[in-house]
Amino acid sequence: GAGVSQSPSNKVTEKGKDVELRCDPISGHTALYWYRQRLGQGLEFLIYFQGNSAPDKSGLPSDRFSAERTGESVSTLTIQRTQQEDSAVYLCASSLLGQGGEKLFFGSGTQLSVL
Amino acid sequence: AQTVTQSQPEMSVQEAETVTLSCTYDTSESDYYLFWYKQPPSRQMILVIRQEAYKQQNATENRFSVNFQKAAKSFSLKISDSQLGDAAMYFCAYRNYGGSQGNLIFGKGTKLSVKP
Repeated sequence: GAGVSQSPSNKVTEKGKDVELRCDPISGHTALYWYRQRLGQGLEFLIYFQGNSAPDKSGLPSDRFSAERTGESVSTLTIQRTQQEDSAVYLCASSLLGQGGEKLFFGSGTQLSVL
Repeated sequence: AQTVTQSQPEMSVQEAETVTLSCTYDTSESDYYLFWYKQPPSRQMILVIRQEAYKQQNATENRFSVNFQKAAKSFSLKISDSQLGDAAMYFCAYRNYGGSQGNLIFGKGTKLSVKP
């Protein structure tokens, strides 16, 4: 597509429920990244995909968080048994090759609110 | 571990004036990249400018330029002839040249307001 697309744009859920957040990267981009942005904070790195593999998942905060990528395209970030501290904007980005100096293209994020 | 610090939570500038946003970072690496990203209310982060650490020349992109001081680990962003559309959150970011390619480390951001 023309840009990185994320869905849903907003998600309200109850504590303890599972949620799935979707990211459609730019076509042909091999690298895909997930970040979390809490209110008034910078971006926290969660996980990085190169193709369908995740060589760096060091930022996932707990085993309630998981992510997968299929077909070197769409990625899904799943949060199980959501907690109130999971409330944040979840941003996805993609880049062509995943090299250090590359420009990252970001989506508009999913605003997750856990009640 | 690398860290990025933005000491100005908020800044304000008059339209057409110049403003400088500060950023410092900490790393033991000699090769790395530095970036400034802009985040408007739409939440979509947009790359403003990037700098390779091995280049001594400061990067420039139209009205945006940086003052990169490697020894001081400082990377400030200068916006000249400020426009209303420049109002946004600005994030400074660091990334290793090698190692984990995924880990772009961000500061907490500076909210820039532009007064007409």
